[in-house]
Amino acid sequence: QSVLTQPPSVSGAPGQRVTISCTGSNSNIGAAYDVNWYQQLPGTAPKLLIYGSTNRPSGVPDRFSGSKSGTSASLAITGLQAEDEADYYCQSYDSRLSGYVFGTGTKVAVL
Amino acid sequence: QVQLQESGPGLVKPSETLSLTCTVSGASITTYYWSWIRQPPGKGLEWIGDIYYSGSTTYNPSLKSRVTISVDTSKSQFSLKLSSVTAADTAVYYCARVDAGWLDPWGQGTLVTVSS
Repeated sequence: QSVLTQPPSVSGAPGQRVTISCTGSNSNIGAAYDVNWYQQLPGTAPKLLIYGSTNRPSGVPDRFSGSKSGTSASLAITGLQAEDEADYYCQSYDSRLSGYVFGTGTKVAVL
Repeated sequence: QVQLQESGPGLVKPSETLSLTCTVSGASITTYYWSWIRQPPGKGLEWIGDIYYSGSTTYNPSLKSRVTISVDTSKSQFSLKLSSVTAADTAVYYCARVDAGWLDPWGQGTLVTVSS
C-alpha cells in the first residue's frame, strides 16, 4: 500500500557514497510536503534520521544528508560505515489519503 | 527525555479485537499528536492513525473501518483497538510522537500475533 517508492537495496564499500531515492506524486512530495527519513537497525524500532527534508536531529552524523526536488527526495550517506547497515524508510504526508505515508524501504549493505 | 512504551497481549485470536496501550513519559501528552504504526514481519512500515489530546483522530483509510484510537490524559496514555483481526494483522506495533509531520521518538514496539 506504500505510495512512496524506494529501491529495495543499495550497497557500497566502506568510505563510499550511496544515495537512496524516494519517489512520490503530486499529492505528497510534489505538493510541497516535507520528507522525513528513518533508520531501522536490525531488531530495533525506526529512528528519525532526517526531518523537514534536509535537517538532522542532534546526534545524527553529518555523513547523512537529505534533499528534495519535485516529486522525489533523496538520502545520501557519505563515508559509508559498517554500522550504517540498516533499513531506511522515507515518510511524508499525502493530501489525497489525508494521512502519513511511508516508502517501501531500502536495505543498505556495506560490502 | 521522552519515552514511549507499548503494552498489551502478544496473541489475539482471529475475528477478535486487538488492544494496545502506549504510555508516554517525559513529555506532556497534551502538547503533541500521537500515532500508531505497524510493521508485518519482514515487511515495511504502515501508518495506522493518530490522535490529539482533545480526542481528534485521523485514520489510515485502508484500516479506518476497524480502527479506534483513544487517549487518557490522566494516565498519559493513548490506545489502539483493531477489530475483526486476521493473520494479515500480525505485526510489530509501534507508537510514536508526531512532531510537525515527523515521528519521533518511537516506542520499542510490541509483536502481536493473530492465531487460534
